[in-house]
Amino acid sequence: QSVLTQPPSVSAAPGQKVTISCSGSSSNIGNIYVSWFQQLPGTAPKLLIYDNSKRPSGIPDRFSGSKSGASATLGITGLQTGDEADYYCGRWDSSLSAWVFGGGTKLTVL
Amino acid sequence: QVQLQESGPGLVKPSQTLSLTCTVSGGSINSGSYYWSWIRQPAGKGLEWIGRIYTRGGTNYNPSLNSRVTISVDTSKNQFSLKLSSVTAADTAVYYCARETAMDQLDYWGQGTRVTVSS
Repeated sequence: QSVLTQPPSVSAAPGQKVTISCSGSSSNIGNIYVSWFQQLPGTAPKLLIYDNSKRPSGIPDRFSGSKSGASATLGITGLQTGDEADYYCGRWDSSLSAWVFGGGTKLTVL
Repeated sequence: QVQLQESGPGLVKPSQTLSLTCTVSGGSINSGSYYWSWIRQPAGKGLEWIGRIYTRGGTNYNPSLNSRVTISVDTSKNQFSLKLSSVTAADTAVYYCARETAMDQLDYWGQGTRVTVSS
């Protein structure tokens, strides 16, 4: 059972917008930075968002992150079939001295 | 451009020790303030962080694996390694190595290597 909770799946049509939530307790998300990772089929995870809302170089601005209280959200606009992937939230938990991840959300672009 | 590449046996017998190496290219493993992590993913399941090493000293391990994990670094070869002892079928997974910045960014990942625990 993951420390961070994500919906198992989300879906939307091409061109539409989708959001993926990541919830935890105030002790593990509330005052902490959350990252988001995209894992395309058969590939390694890729950093998509860090520090709740920052994008690494090369990540399109169709991808956005936000955090409110004990919940973080990944938003993807202008959905493309190439966005079909598993998305994971994660963060360094200083109380555990360990990285913790959500269970992952499978995005289907219908 | 930093690149990471995992290597090691793809098949390990139960009760034995799983040993993997991650070779870092495109930069010195000893430069900057980075942590070097191992993460695994059983087939069809989510990510599980195993542990990390800081080249300037110190390791952190997943509390659930702590007693079985050792991560070490060989700066002369620009490599870091994972040893997981007393493996069982539950340790069958794709194992990834990754770089983590001082600002909690897992920014570079290896392509992963599949390890099966079976007799």
